[in-house]
Amino acid sequence: ETGVTQSPTHLIKTRGQQVTLRCSSQSGHNTVSWYQQALGQGPQFIFQYYREEENGRGNFPPRFSGLQFPNYSSELNVNALELDDSALYLCASSLPGGGSNTEAFFGQGTRLTVV
Amino acid sequence: TQLLEQSPQFLSIQEGENLTVYCNSSSVFSSLQWYRQEPGEGPVLLVTVVTGGEVKKLKRLTFQFGDARKDSSLHITAAQPGDTGLYLCAGRYNQGGKLIFGQGTELSVKP
Repeated sequence: ETGVTQSPTHLIKTRGQQVTLRCSSQSGHNTVSWYQQALGQGPQFIFQYYREEENGRGNFPPRFSGLQFPNYSSELNVNALELDDSALYLCASSLPGGGSNTEAFFGQGTRLTVV
Repeated sequence: TQLLEQSPQFLSIQEGENLTVYCNSSSVFSSLQWYRQEPGEGPVLLVTVVTGGEVKKLKRLTFQFGDARKDSSLHITAAQPGDTGLYLCAGRYNQGGKLIFGQGTELSVKP
């Protein structure tokens, strides 16, 4: 177990709705990244937060937004949900200090289904 | 555009066989990581390679980073049913940066 917890584990939403996913990072980790993993694909980077600031963003539209809190936990918000947003959403936290071999610890993910 | 190409995408073998999974890119990475993911779970790190030509062994698993740091391979010797899962390679361009994942190799080892 990595110590990274995500909630909820499963969620069903209707097209057009909004959703908030939550992530508690591993103790002492100040960097949190979010990834979207479609069925049968590898995870795709959405964005990263470092000390409450967005620190890099992937090729996702502005309706994907996030927050990081002082305790380094994080939220992913998606507005105007589309069917293609159905995926496993993964949160990963990293050790402070960076380094080329910085290990990312992943949570179990939130399975979002948009109907 | 897939920056990291993994092959094969699917692999079904019998217990005891050997296999190799490849991860190729036209880009140079500062480091490359291999993960294993089981259904309903997040990826779990197996190994990180950072030096061109580096070889790392983890029990029956052997990982190699290409000399030019553009490609990597994972070799499993005498596969067991417990090795079944999705194997993902992921590269970083710079320290602390995002992970670029391949599309994964779904391995099934039958007893």
